[in-house]
Amino acid sequence: EPEVTQTPSHQVTQMGQEVILRCVPISNHLYFYWYRQILGQKVEFLVSFYNNEISEKSEIFDDQFSVERPDGSNFTLKIRSTKLEDSAMYFCAAGDRDTYEQYFGPGTRLTVT
Amino acid sequence: AQTVTQSQPEMSVQEAETVTLSCTYDTSESNYYLFWYKQPPSRQMILVIRQEAYKQQNATENRFSVNFQKAAKSFSLKISDSQLGDTAMYFCAFVMWFGNEKLTFGTGTRLTIIP
Repeated sequence: EPEVTQTPSHQVTQMGQEVILRCVPISNHLYFYWYRQILGQKVEFLVSFYNNEISEKSEIFDDQFSVERPDGSNFTLKIRSTKLEDSAMYFCAAGDRDTYEQYFGPGTRLTVT
Repeated sequence: AQTVTQSQPEMSVQEAETVTLSCTYDTSESNYYLFWYKQPPSRQMILVIRQEAYKQQNATENRFSVNFQKAAKSFSLKISDSQLGDTAMYFCAFVMWFGNEKLTFGTGTRLTIIP
C-alpha cells in the first residue's frame, strides 16, 4: 500500500499557540485531505486540497486553520491559535482519483493544554 | 448530505470464527464508493476493502468480503477465520463519485477477537 508520512507523531502545545502539522503525501497523488478524530469519536473531514487550492472545507475548518503545500511535496495544516477542543488526532490522506481510495498517514496526536 | 450509520458500537468473537459488521448509509446519489477502514490500537487508518456502487458483484479481499445491498443502502463487512490481529475499530465510509470527494465516516464498531 502507498505510504503517507506525518510529523510530528505527537505534539503538545499550550492554548493560544500556533502549531504546524506536516504531511508528505504520495508523490503521484494530486488530491490531499486533512481529517481529525477526537478521542473515542468518528473521523471528521476538515479540508480537501487540489492543484494548490482548497477544493472543499468543513464547518470545523474556520479562520484558525490554514493549509498549504509550500514546496510541492510537504502538505501542512496550521492552527493559528489553538484551543483545548483542538486536541485530537489529525490525519493527512492522499487520494487516488481513479479508485477514490484515500491512503492515510499515521496521524499526529495534538494535545492542547 | 450523506450520513453513515454503524449500529454496533462493540462486538466480540472467538478466534477463527466469522463476524459481520453492519453499516447503512443515506444518500440521494446513485454513483459513489463505499469503504471499510480498520483502525488498530496504533490509530493508523488502514483501508480494508472498496466497493463501487455501480458494481453488483460484492468485493472481496482475502478473508474480508462485503454484502452490498444498494436498494437497502446497506454495506456490511464479513471477516472470515478471524485472527487476533483483526482486533480494531472498523469504520464504514462513503464518498461520492465526482465532485464532493471527502470521506464521510460512520461512528465505528470496536471489534475484539478473543483467543
